[in-house]
Amino acid sequence: GENVEQHPSTLSVQEGDSAVIKCTYSDSASNYFPWYKQELGKRPQLIIDIRSNVGEKKDQRIAVTLNKTAKHFSLHITETQPEDSAVYFCAASIGGTAGNQFYFGTGTSLTVIP
Amino acid sequence: DAGITQSPRHKVTETGTPVTLRCHQTENHRYMYWYRQDPGHGLRLIHYSYGVKDTDKGEVSDGYSVSRSKTEDFLLTLESATSSQTSVYFCAISGLDGETQYFGPGTRLLVL
Repeated sequence: GENVEQHPSTLSVQEGDSAVIKCTYSDSASNYFPWYKQELGKRPQLIIDIRSNVGEKKDQRIAVTLNKTAKHFSLHITETQPEDSAVYFCAASIGGTAGNQFYFGTGTSLTVIP
Repeated sequence: DAGITQSPRHKVTETGTPVTLRCHQTENHRYMYWYRQDPGHGLRLIHYSYGVKDTDKGEVSDGYSVSRSKTEDFLLTLESATSSQTSVYFCAISGLDGETQYFGPGTRLLVL
């Protein structure tokens, strides 16, 4: 099956700096790559996603890039704020007639220091 | 948040007892998923459903079974709970595109 690796596992940045989280995947059939943010004790929530026919996508301070050849994708958060502190998960999905199976990375705990 | 509820939200049980967790949605979404979340492992798929009575195994399905008799309900059963099944369980749903997933609030299960 698919294997998703995520780095780093923890990340601390000063408020206002940028944060980058990287993921790699193993199955070239994966075609959908969402990112989730999970605050302590809460459910994961989708913050941005990208499909395999797109190289980059932005939404305000958040951007995701995808390199299909190298099988890696990254989350970029600019002008970080304390409320960005959370655990972030990447995922890769392989579509099929029975729906998509999702494979998640192990998470990155981001701390934004005021 | 999408209309997803999970019950119970917290449960303590003993090894060897059966446990059933319920996921209920009001979105009429086709796809439903059960994940477990453990430190250092992220979210791992247990089982998923692509329609009423249509289910399939995920990567960590051993010791779990599921049923979906109605579009809105997806049940996860631990036939004989073990301490290794202590975890936080999340249900998720996705619509026609099978892509965008919305998660339920989670169930904390402790098996003593």
